[in-house]
Amino acid sequence: DIQMTQSPSLLSASVGDRVTINCKASQNINKYLNWYQQKLGEAPKLLIYNTNNLQTGIPSRFSGSGSGTDYTLTISSLQPEDFGTYFCFQHNSWPGTFGAGTKLELK
Amino acid sequence: VQLVESGGGLVQPGKSLKLSCSASGFTFSSYGMHWIRQAPGKGLDWVAYISSSSGTVYADAVKGRFTISRDNAKNTLYLQLNSLKSEDTAIYYCATTGLGYWGQGVMVTVSS
Repeated sequence: DIQMTQSPSLLSASVGDRVTINCKASQNINKYLNWYQQKLGEAPKLLIYNTNNLQTGIPSRFSGSGSGTDYTLTISSLQPEDFGTYFCFQHNSWPGTFGAGTKLELK
Repeated sequence: VQLVESGGGLVQPGKSLKLSCSASGFTFSSYGMHWIRQAPGKGLDWVAYISSSSGTVYADAVKGRFTISRDNAKNTLYLQLNSLKSEDTAIYYCATTGLGYWGQGVMVTVSS
């Protein structure tokens, strides 16, 4: 199985900050990498699919980049509603695997 | 797109449970579907997938114990959980192909 190493596990930031979250795959995943946001008690919500495609309805302050084994989610200017936990997910090969998550909290 | 899971609850180890996921707002029969689970306070684990033509794939942790199926006439996805273990305790989510849309989840607790 492909292992997804997500970092950092905890990120403290302020409204207006630019933040980045990283995922490193144990092998090439050919840009088949999604990013999700989860708030407490809710289902995950798709933000970015296939590395850099913004899901419909997601604000443009979210962006994704990467290739090969290394991928990044960037939030250009953090808003109060952006706090929560973020997960990456690779779907290049079965089984799909998630990163362990990054909890984004208010500094 | 709306996905609504049901069928969760408290069950003893070794027993069975069947989860349902009612889908609406899209052509259910044309899309593959997934089950994903999340243990309390933990991360996400992919569980199973069924294609539009009913081909299936399972995570090793549930292979031989869980069965994913679908009824396109009822726009419903199922997950049959057999030989349940305490480590199967989790919120179970159904999701569309590509994990684009998720249901709200249903809790399964395995405990004596």
